[in-house]
Amino acid sequence: KAGVTQTPRYLIKTRGQQVTLSCSPISGHRSVSWYQQTPGQGLQFLFEYFSETQRNKGNFPGRFSGRQFSNSRSEMNVSTLELGDSALYLCASSLSSGTNTGELFFGEGSRLTVL
Amino acid sequence: AQSVTQLGSHVSVSEGALVLLRCNYSSSVPPYLFWYVQYPNQGLQLLLKYTTGATLVKGINGFEAEFKKSETSFHLTKPSAHMSDAAEYFCAVITLPGTYKYIFGTGTRLKVLA
Repeated sequence: KAGVTQTPRYLIKTRGQQVTLSCSPISGHRSVSWYQQTPGQGLQFLFEYFSETQRNKGNFPGRFSGRQFSNSRSEMNVSTLELGDSALYLCASSLSSGTNTGELFFGEGSRLTVL
Repeated sequence: AQSVTQLGSHVSVSEGALVLLRCNYSSSVPPYLFWYVQYPNQGLQLLLKYTTGATLVKGINGFEAEFKKSETSFHLTKPSAHMSDAAEYFCAVITLPGTYKYIFGTGTRLKVLA
């Protein structure tokens, strides 16, 4: 069974640009979550999508957005990049059912550097 | 609001020694608690989880953790450290099953000395 796939793995952007990151969940997983990981802040929850709908959102500015497609693949976008957006962006997928206990399956992340 | 505190951002142990990584949580409702491990340049992998039932839970690679409600703790232990245990460990909580809105601790980097 293929794991969670994130692309691209590494990217470098300059301030003011925008970036789109992609995540393909494990087959059959309908929930996709995004996290930002930085050395100082640890993992911060960005948002979670289920069946193409944003179900939960963290405390990030509107420059951070996402979406989910009918095949459960998800993208997140960051506009008007700032230096502080440099981070590892992790995608995680999960089953979403009444019996599920919330285990997340993570991809290897997309490392964004903003210059 | 719920929160997770991991005591010690860096922990060093000798190979063969006990591993103890501390995690305390704050939650107004019964929590679901997790430990994840992250190896260099990889995503996070579930080590173990507590949902309901037995308070001592066993995970992969010989790790275990005990949920202590009175102490609001969920410390991770392993009797004998191995070099391959060197990684970053994250404690996490969700308080509403199905939301997947995890609250993660800031992580503890474990170093194993030969």
